[in-house]
Amino acid sequence: ETGVTQSPTHLIKTRGQQVTLRCSSQSGHNTVSWYQQALGQGPQFIFQYYREEENGRGNFPPRFSGLQFPNYSSELNVNALELDDSALYLCASSPLRQSEAFFGQGTRLTVV
Amino acid sequence: QQQVKQSPQSLIVQKGGISIINCAYENTAFDYFPWYQQFPGKGPALLIAIRPDVSEKKEGRFTISFNKSAKQFSLHIMDSQPGDSATYFCAASGLGLQGAQKLVFGQGTRLTINP
Repeated sequence: ETGVTQSPTHLIKTRGQQVTLRCSSQSGHNTVSWYQQALGQGPQFIFQYYREEENGRGNFPPRFSGLQFPNYSSELNVNALELDDSALYLCASSPLRQSEAFFGQGTRLTVV
Repeated sequence: QQQVKQSPQSLIVQKGGISIINCAYENTAFDYFPWYQQFPGKGPALLIAIRPDVSEKKEGRFTISFNKSAKQFSLHIMDSQPGDSATYFCAASGLGLQGAQKLVFGQGTRLTINP
């Protein structure tokens, strides 16, 4: 059974650019959530996908968007990058919309 | 009402001692309370979790104590080891309006176990 994998592990982008982060969920998990973790802070919920539909969103602007694919993998897209978007982006997968969430290793995004 | 408050921010414990981290919440709709362990440069790893129908759960050296009336829960690490040195996050979740199970995290506790 493979765990949650994210790519890339590190990324440097320029302010105003767009970025796509990818996540493969754990085998058997059909729910994927994305979190943003600023340095020294706890993760903040961005949104959740279930059956390829967004079914919950945190306090993040529309320039944060996502997709879930039929194989339950997911993408996080961020447009018009701002310096404050620099953070560790975490993907978590859960079985059948249950509470247990298992995180990947994260993608460290730096916006310069 | 969506906040989870965690204390202390940092904690130093001698090897073999007991590490205790506390969390408090306001939202009575929360029905799942996990603890995560995070090492530098890694994602959070699920350590142990509890639901409000029990007051205590133990897994190895890790114990969650849960006080529903006080809306507080805590993590106890018995016989703390240097390998336990990490940042610990409490969290809480409940079924949201759209059906999302959203985790609300505390601010984290940086635990250092001195050898």
